Amino acid sequence: DQQVKQNSPSLSVQEGRISILNCDYTNSMFDYFLWYKKYPAEGPTFLISISSIKDKNEDGRFTVFLNKSAKHLSLHIVPSQPGDSAVYFCAAHLYNTDKLIFGTGTRLQVFP
Amino acid sequence: DVKVTQSSRYLVKRTGEKVFLECVQDMDHENMFWYRQDPGLGLRLIYFSYDVKMKEKGDIPEGYSVSREKKERFSLILESASTNQTSMYLCASSFLMTDNTGELFFGEGSRLTVL
Repeated sequence: DQQVKQNSPSLSVQEGRISILNCDYTNSMFDYFLWYKKYPAEGPTFLISISSIKDKNEDGRFTVFLNKSAKHLSLHIVPSQPGDSAVYFCAAHLYNTDKLIFGTGTRLQVFP
Repeated sequence: DVKVTQSSRYLVKRTGEKVFLECVQDMDHENMFWYRQDPGLGLRLIYFSYDVKMKEKGDIPEGYSVSREKKERFSLILESASTNQTSMYLCASSFLMTDNTGELFFGEGSRLTVL
């Protein structure tokens, strides 16, 4: 049973425009949500996180929105740059554990 | 900077061989993890350890074992490699997550091919 879902395996966006990556979850016991970015042949790197008690967190070009009632979060990248081309993983931290549950990833391609 | 180092970037092994994947972290993290990444399946947790000599099964532990004799080192062992274990293996570490966001620090990955 996939508790964290990224339903879009890929996304293609023109440079300068907004990229929106989506993530849905099923477990109400998640207390933090994180986004990781992964380039080929490298390990994932942390990008941004949000607490379940907030609905928005912003860091430069990256903003994460959380809609708890819909069990949905999204990552907005504005403006998108070619260097943003990577696989993005959504992850959820299970309250009172040391476990992160990852989604299946979305491959973002930003073209000139 | 946090450094998580995986001993081998690329390995090619034959079916039935015993395989060791080593991981070392330099941030005195309590937690260490082994994930595998496969296309369309994302990152799946194999095993994790929250202390020396302590381990817990993740979501897909079958066919794997782990060893943590020192705090900074976490090894993944494939007792008898099979072709369905061909994958990218990622080691990660973190502080205990009970009062933080759960941020993991990943190594660069070890791509294992089993022939």
